[in-house]
Amino acid sequence: ETGVTQTPRHLVMGMTNKKSLKCEQHLGHNAMYWYKQSAKKPLELMFVYSLEERVENNSVPSRFSPECPNSSHLFLHLHTLQPEDSALYLCASSQKTGWEMDTEAFFGQGTRLTVV
Amino acid sequence: KNEVEQSPQNLTAQEGEFITINCSYSVGISALHWLQQHPGGGIVSLFMLSSGKKKHGRLIATINIQEKHSSLHITASHPRDSAVYICAVSKDSNYQLIWGAGTKLIIKP
Repeated sequence: ETGVTQTPRHLVMGMTNKKSLKCEQHLGHNAMYWYKQSAKKPLELMFVYSLEERVENNSVPSRFSPECPNSSHLFLHLHTLQPEDSALYLCASSQKTGWEMDTEAFFGQGTRLTVV
Repeated sequence: KNEVEQSPQNLTAQEGEFITINCSYSVGISALHWLQQHPGGGIVSLFMLSSGKKKHGRLIATINIQEKHSSLHITASHPRDSAVYICAVSKDSNYQLIWGAGTKLIIKP
């Protein structure tokens, strides 16, 4: 248990659906991240929030819309996704923003998303 | 070519064997990270290092900055060590980590 909780763990959605992924941490961390992990590919950073402000948008299509209502919660809103968006979506949090020497990231279990 | 390369991609060994996973990178870094991803998907940070060697239990991580190479060793391997081990590097203390593709390790009893 890392202290970062993601729900749901599994999600199957059609291309016309709208769904949301939720991430929650009560570690007192200031930064939260969304990553995408596709099969046999390295993790891809999608978004970074620092103190509830988005500080990084890594050229992610607009069909992915993040929301950070407070420092403990992070959402990823999904709409009109494509089958190639099927992947494991991982949330992470860290005390500081940026991968400094003493910054450890805590990851959630991930949401396995399948778009049909 | 990825900036972070791991080898091997897959490794199967018997319980008790000494395991080595390698990571090579081609960019200047501020730190190198080793992480463990369990079959369920969650990722745990194992080590962060910028020089020398670190040890935690049966895990040892080394880095050679001149050769741009790091190794993760597992002594007295156990089936519970079965996971994907990921190497990642950070540059200039920014938000980005450059991730390796991971090494899938299976330890058979």
